[in-house]
Amino acid sequence: NAGVMQNPRHLVRRRGQEARLRCSPMKGHSHVYWYRQLPEEGLKFMVYLQKENIIDESGMPKERFSAEFPKEGPSILRIQQVVRGDSAAYFCASSQSGGGSGNTIYFGEGSWLTVV
Amino acid sequence: QKEVEQNSGPLSVPEGAIASLNCTYSDRGSQSFFWYRQYSGKSPELIMFIYSNGDKEDGRFTAQLNKASQYVSLLIRDSQPSDSATYLCAVNPPTGNQFYFGTGTSLTVIP
Repeated sequence: NAGVMQNPRHLVRRRGQEARLRCSPMKGHSHVYWYRQLPEEGLKFMVYLQKENIIDESGMPKERFSAEFPKEGPSILRIQQVVRGDSAAYFCASSQSGGGSGNTIYFGEGSWLTVV
Repeated sequence: QKEVEQNSGPLSVPEGAIASLNCTYSDRGSQSFFWYRQYSGKSPELIMFIYSNGDKEDGRFTAQLNKASQYVSLLIRDSQPSDSATYLCAVNPPTGNQFYFGTGTSLTVIP
């Protein structure tokens, strides 16, 4: 499958636990974006990464959230000490090159996090 | 002011009619514009992108861009019930790395 792959598709965590969401970009893409979508709301940008670099994390909450895109392996969005308000759909998208260059981004199927 | 604004709807049209979805953006220098469709519980799916002023047609879909008015629209001709979804407008400003999304317009096509 050459599309953007996300896992897990559904994740249930108790308050205070950690959630790790993984994203493998489309083949040939080296730019990854993470978005969060709360129920009945729009997509909110979180972070933009290239391999081994965080380019723009202006949408990331200051605490408990982190992201990485190592040289080998998928990009990971990590949420520590989850709270109920973290329950949302987390979408990963990838592009061949970065913003401002006329590239399009393609989305994975999303990871639905439920905090109980 | 939000970077991208859309009327949240809901917009209802009868089957076979033309659905018109609108979007405005704030960064006058933006160059790339996109329309995504999102079914409930699913991820956004790219429908069209447009870079130049004017119209761009792809099957039943036409994207229209007016940079002077900072306005992008999507027309869906011969609307089908399967077109019922939320339509997201996205803009890629030249100075940033983000793709800004509107909150989406909910479209219902009534059989």
